[in-house]
Amino acid sequence: KAGVTQTPRYLIKTRGQQVTLSCSPISGHRSVSWYQQTPGQGLQFLFEYFSETQRNKGNFPGRFSGRQFSNSRSEMNVSTLELGDSALYLCASSLESRSGGNTIYFGEGSWLTVV
Amino acid sequence: GQNIDQPTEMTATEGAIVQINCTYQTSGFNGLFWYQQHAGEAPTFLSYNVLDGLEEKGRFSSFLSRSKGYSYLLLKELQMKDSASYLCAVRVYSGGYNKLIFGAGTRLAVHP
Repeated sequence: KAGVTQTPRYLIKTRGQQVTLSCSPISGHRSVSWYQQTPGQGLQFLFEYFSETQRNKGNFPGRFSGRQFSNSRSEMNVSTLELGDSALYLCASSLESRSGGNTIYFGEGSWLTVV
Repeated sequence: GQNIDQPTEMTATEGAIVQINCTYQTSGFNGLFWYQQHAGEAPTFLSYNVLDGLEEKGRFSSFLSRSKGYSYLLLKELQMKDSASYLCAVRVYSGGYNKLIFGAGTRLAVHP
């Protein structure tokens, strides 16, 4: 069973540009979450999608956005990049059920460097 | 608010036992996860507790006390490869769905 796949793995962008990151969840998983991880801040929740709907959003500016497609694949976009956006962006997927017994699995992440 | 606390750093000796504590103050508690993350890599799932008590999985065990808002991860027979960050994450159920909140992580260094 394939794991969570994120692309690209590494990228360098210039301040002011925009970037789109992609995530393919584990087959059958409908919940996809995005996290930003920086050395000083740890894992910060960005947003979560379920069945193409954003269910929850963290405390990030509007420059950060995302979407989910009918096949559960998800993308996140960051516009007008700032140096502080340099981070590891992690995608996680889960089956999601009301029982809460489903594990969340992470992808390898996308390393974004803004110069 | 939702808050999760764990020590920032710990050191231990190869072959020894180490316990990493996690305390949380959350509403809508619906399970607690432990993840291991090596530098530059994605977090990998270690354990999940939703009921009080100890869950054992090989060299790793995790304990939960919901009444105390407390969990620990116990690593036995430490190996050098156990040097990593260990993330405590609490799942909370709110508004009809689950949400995962992470602690800042505990950086464990295992020395020979």
